Amino acid sequence: GAVVSQHPSRVICKSGTSVKIECRSLDFQATTMFWYRQFPKQSLMLMATSNEGSKATYEQGVEKDKFLINHASLTLSTLTVTSAHPEDSSFYICSASPQGTEAFFGQGTRLTVV
Amino acid sequence: AQSVTQLDSQVPVFEEAPVELRCNYSSSVSVYLFWYVQYPNQGLQLLLKYLSGSTLVKGINGFEAEFNKSQTSFHLRKPSVHISDTAEYFCAVSYSGGYQKVTFGTGTKLQVIP
Repeated sequence: GAVVSQHPSRVICKSGTSVKIECRSLDFQATTMFWYRQFPKQSLMLMATSNEGSKATYEQGVEKDKFLINHASLTLSTLTVTSAHPEDSSFYICSASPQGTEAFFGQGTRLTVV
Repeated sequence: AQSVTQLDSQVPVFEEAPVELRCNYSSSVSVYLFWYVQYPNQGLQLLLKYLSGSTLVKGINGFEAEFNKSQTSFHLRKPSVHISDTAEYFCAVSYSGGYQKVTFGTGTKLQVIP
């Protein structure tokens, strides 16, 4: 199957700093990628849809100025958590799919804000 | 819109006993169905998927699931569980076309009792 790579797998940052998470499709091009978030002991919820060459689409309740998404190429989407706070501590995971097939997920990033 | 229901938040079962984790979905169009497993503090691992064809799907680690269109269900089964199967299990659905935005169920925690 297709491969989606996410980096870093774990990150600890200080409150008030920004963190960038990368999501790459390694063997296919992805004009659309998705970002999900999982709070402790909860399910995964879609945060936003990343569109290559255009603005991301955010789900209701997700602050677009806090979670900056850039999809500058057909194989890379980045999620930047700006001015991170402890309540942003979560598991973030991306997905992408070769057209016409199912979604493939990255390994996820566990963010801890201290 | 699509949705997924996992009625059982926790399922305790003795080691070597059979288990069934229930999943029901709703969608007005054709869907892909998935089961993922998540071990503590780890990412998602795909157990099995239904895209088309045979309604009985076999996955990794001895798990299988049956797609029942009339009952809109995709229950996960294993004839004999092991301690190592203790984990969180997520049922998920996506449309069978497009760019594969995934909707997850709330998860079922399988606890295998020695």
